[in-house]
Amino acid sequence: DTGVSQDPRHKITKRGQNVTFRCDPISEHNRLYWYRQTLGQGPEFLTYFQNEAQLEKSRLLSDRFSAERPKGSFSTLEIQRTEQGDSAMYLCASSLEQNYNEQFFGPGTRLTVL
Amino acid sequence: KNQVEQSPQSLIILEGKNCTLQCNYTVSPFSNLRWYKQDTGRGPVSLTIMTFSENTKSNGRYTATLDADTKQSSLHITASQLSDSASYICVVSPSVRSGGSYIPTFGRGTSLIVHP
Repeated sequence: DTGVSQDPRHKITKRGQNVTFRCDPISEHNRLYWYRQTLGQGPEFLTYFQNEAQLEKSRLLSDRFSAERPKGSFSTLEIQRTEQGDSAMYLCASSLEQNYNEQFFGPGTRLTVL
Repeated sequence: KNQVEQSPQSLIILEGKNCTLQCNYTVSPFSNLRWYKQDTGRGPVSLTIMTFSENTKSNGRYTATLDADTKQSSLHITASQLSDSASYICVVSPSVRSGGSYIPTFGRGTSLIVHP
């Protein structure tokens, strides 16, 4: 257990539905990252926050995706109008700003879109 | 474009044997390289992290090497155990001093299966 938690661990939804995932980072970590990982691939960066500010977003983050970290603690990732191609493992990680290379990953949320 | 290539894609070995996984990268300028272990259905867990000035780092039965000149790294696993069965991911972070993106580049991973 790295100290980063994600909820839910698994989510099955029908195409077109909206889903929301939550990540709780290690409490003193001010940076929080979201990644997506498909089978047989490494994690792909989606976005990251420093405190409540979203500092960088990948081109992978389409308009249907939105992430928030309103109080600089937990974060949510919402996917609207899900598509089958959204099926993947969504990983959250956190780090200290001064040690941003040392990221601690959560267990991930496995999304299946039917 | 920053890239991280890992080989082999998959590897099967017998329990107790040693193995070496390879990572080649083109990330520049380079800050550090990490190896992660990812069990099936779980998040990655850090094994080692090396800066450009380090050429070897050990963590128990795991030893990582780095050659910053040739941009190659390897992860050597000694006396493998069944619990070593996992995906091993190489991650390279660029230096932000040049103003480039901070975002690390992940390899696809090597899937290791250890058979009894």
